Amino acid sequence: GENVEQHPSTLSVQEGDSAVIKCTYSDSASNYFPWYKQELGKGPQLIIDIRSNVGEKKDQRIAVTLNKTAKHFSLHITETQPEDSAVYFCAASKDDKIIFGKGTRLHILP
Amino acid sequence: GAGVSQTPSNKVTEKGKYVELRCDPISGHTALYWYRQSLGQGPEFLIYFQGTGAADDSGLPNDRFFAVRPEGSVSTLKIQRTERGDSAVYLCASSSQGPPNTEAFFGQGTRLTVV
Repeated sequence: GENVEQHPSTLSVQEGDSAVIKCTYSDSASNYFPWYKQELGKGPQLIIDIRSNVGEKKDQRIAVTLNKTAKHFSLHITETQPEDSAVYFCAASKDDKIIFGKGTRLHILP
Repeated sequence: GAGVSQTPSNKVTEKGKYVELRCDPISGHTALYWYRQSLGQGPEFLIYFQGTGAADDSGLPNDRFFAVRPEGSVSTLKIQRTERGDSAVYLCASSSQGPPNTEAFFGQGTRLTVV
């Protein structure tokens, strides 16, 4: 089945700098790649997603890139703000179940 | 404008007891998912419903776990003979169409502690 690897597990960046989180997936048939943000005590919330027929997608300060050949996808957050501090999960989906990475804890330093 | 609602928010039970966890999906959403999240880990897939039927239950760890969705709306995750290793946050999500590839909205989860 699908396996999603995510790194780094922890990331600290200065406020205003950019943050990059990288993921790889194993099943070449996966065609949907959502990213979720999870704050303490809450369920994951979708922040951006990308489908396999698209290489890049941007929404304000957040962008995601997908390299299907290498089975890599990445999340980029620019101009980071204190409220960006949270745990971020990448995920991959082929048919039904969404398989998640183990998460990246992002700390925005003042 | 209610989102996915899960009850209870916290549940403490003794080892060996039976528990039921409830999920109220967003109205009209046909797809419903259950995940389990252990501390410091990503959500782990358990089961997926499309309507009333379980379309994929390959993530259920063993036969102590069972889930139902009799009317295609509310779902209940049932755990028999609970073990300390079952302690985790159980997350429910729903989406408007299910696969392929539509946004899944998560509830806040039920934190289950088995003592």
